[in-house]
Amino acid sequence: QKEVEQNSGPLSVPEGAIASLNCTYSDRVSQSFFWYRQYSGKSPELIMSIYSNGDKEDGRFTAQLNKASQYVSLLIRDSQPSDSATYLCAVNSGGSNYKLTFGKGTLLTVNP
Amino acid sequence: DADVTQTPRNRITKTGKRIMLECSQTKGHDRMYWYRQDPGLGLQLIYYSFDVKDINKGEISDGYSVSRQAQAKFSLSLESAIPNQTALYFCATSDKSAGELFFGEGSRLTVL
Repeated sequence: QKEVEQNSGPLSVPEGAIASLNCTYSDRVSQSFFWYRQYSGKSPELIMSIYSNGDKEDGRFTAQLNKASQYVSLLIRDSQPSDSATYLCAVNSGGSNYKLTFGKGTLLTVNP
Repeated sequence: DADVTQTPRNRITKTGKRIMLECSQTKGHDRMYWYRQDPGLGLQLIYYSFDVKDINKGEISDGYSVSRQAQAKFSLSLESAIPNQTALYFCATSDKSAGELFFGEGSRLTVL
């Protein structure tokens, strides 16, 4: 059973702070990693994808991947109240049989 | 209009009734998925299809069936609904090369 674990929430940060979201996965051959944001009652939307070890930055978001440690994280700089949502980590093991395994999500609240 | 459209968006039904949730997409993707989301449990894969003639069971397929009527249409059926199938259901699509999932707006099903 392939597992994706996220740090238990909820996570609360003040506006302007850095929010750090973490995710570990069990399948060592995983190749693709995604972070989705989901507002309450809405569908998940992709905010970051990462495929290689290291950091990937997109605006205020930075994804970090360490395949040796089977660890992927998402940093949100200068957090805004509009970032308040559940963040889902998703992992794919690659190959032709493509399907994502999702973590249970971490609820982030950014306080004004 | 949304690229991935689900109908109905909300449905209340009674135990034992047959229910069909429909999904259509205009993204031209070959791959389509049905996920279920329960509070605190994340997204769980019910069924997926990589082309019109391909149907695969996911993690929690018992009590569900699917039909891929065309490349753009993928429907989920509950032959005899039970209360623990009360959940938020998402249809999603992906392009085989990109891997990113695009979600519909969700169908909230309540079984009394």
